[in-house]
Amino acid sequence: TQLLEQSPQFLSIQEGENLTVYCNSSSVFSSLQWYRQEPGEGPVLLVTVVTGGEVKKLKRLTFQFGDARKDSSLHITAAQPGDTGLYLCAGHYNQGGKLIFGQGTELSVKP
Amino acid sequence: EAGVAQSPRYKIIEKRQSVAFWCNPISGHATLYWYQQILGQGPKLLIQFQNNGVVDDSQLPKDRFSAERLKGVDSTLKIQPAKLEDSAVYLCASSLAGVRAGPPPDNEQFFGPGTRLTVL
Repeated sequence: TQLLEQSPQFLSIQEGENLTVYCNSSSVFSSLQWYRQEPGEGPVLLVTVVTGGEVKKLKRLTFQFGDARKDSSLHITAAQPGDTGLYLCAGHYNQGGKLIFGQGTELSVKP
Repeated sequence: EAGVAQSPRYKIIEKRQSVAFWCNPISGHATLYWYQQILGQGPKLLIQFQNNGVVDDSQLPKDRFSAERLKGVDSTLKIQPAKLEDSAVYLCASSLAGVRAGPPPDNEQFFGPGTRLTVL
């Protein structure tokens, strides 16, 4: 069974704090994606990482793909209330294969 | 460009009743996906179509769930009869490229807002 485990499952922080969300698997990904989902909406793609060791930045969000392509992290600097939402990692274990989602990290940023 | 449309947005039924969901993908997108997202979990793929053919339905409970995409455009997902554990958000997504496409942006999936189903 191919499992994607995210941690933490819930995170409640104050505005201005930093946070990191982790996504781990025992299998190698061909590509990994991070999504953000707001209540009543579908997930929206934030970033895709393909190369081991790859780092991508999207404003205050930094995404890292592990060297072995089995894990990834999402770091948010100076979190804002607008960052509140469900963050999902999802991976393809092989090209053309189905997208497997983690269980998500529910982030709440309080003003 | 219009996004993925789904209807209804909410549905409440009693167990053993039937229900159907409709999805209209982004125009020109070859691949259409139905996902089930149970509260507190990530989406789980139920079925994937490329044009009007089924690519993957390995996780579709075929004794009660069915889906079709007859003309290769819009799609319906049906549950008959519904069980309590079917309560979830049903998400539809579409992507431009076919199954053998590389990683995004080639096969980026665009999600609709989902249909929240409550089975009482």
